[in-house]
Amino acid sequence: LAKTTQPISMDSYEGQEVNITCSHNNIATNDYITWYQQFPSQGPRFIIQGYKTKVTNEVASLFIPADRKSSTLSLPRVSLSDTAVYYCLVGMGNTPLVFGKGTRLSVIA
Amino acid sequence: DAGVTQSPTHLIKTRGQQVTLRCSPKSGHDTVSWYQQALGQGPQFIFQYYEEEERQRGNFPDRFSGHQFPNYSSELNVNALLLGDSALYLCASSPFGDRSTDTQYFGPGTRLTVL
Repeated sequence: LAKTTQPISMDSYEGQEVNITCSHNNIATNDYITWYQQFPSQGPRFIIQGYKTKVTNEVASLFIPADRKSSTLSLPRVSLSDTAVYYCLVGMGNTPLVFGKGTRLSVIA
Repeated sequence: DAGVTQSPTHLIKTRGQQVTLRCSPKSGHDTVSWYQQALGQGPQFIFQYYEEEERQRGNFPDRFSGHQFPNYSSELNVNALLLGDSALYLCASSPFGDRSTDTQYFGPGTRLTVL
């Protein structure tokens, strides 16, 4: 059973900022929050990981409130190439990753 | 620096046959995990290998077995193939140590079709 809940799908126009929120009410103290991106017939690609507050890299930002029961992946100015499935996972280290169905993001021109 | 590699890319087998899939981990990684991804679903954990031993296993039958070699590469074997074994098989590698921030990096996958 997935430890996270995300919207099944989202649509966005090119150039807009996209925010995908993930709920993880039962997150453990040692768990980190990790987001992956997956294109059809390819392996998931690591996007970003965080524990609390805000993390930013060249691809995305991750916002985590103080209670850590949810997190929001923010993709700035999306393009058509950002059309993919995005997975939110919680866990630590080498523990088996438990994937849900993810959020299917469709970017429209 | 090569990432995780998998072979073959695609494979077609018939029911009852056996298949072997291969994975080479990212440089500096010694732990390999295998996942099965059915169409439209998220990946499901099969098992994990470290120091040539199976360390953790998901809810998969004994028809699924694996091996890890001294150079950390790994094989996934599936016996007595069923139609339902058709899926994308993913290999992920990570450094062992149970550090909270360790990340699993995935290979491109092997698409197995069972006819």
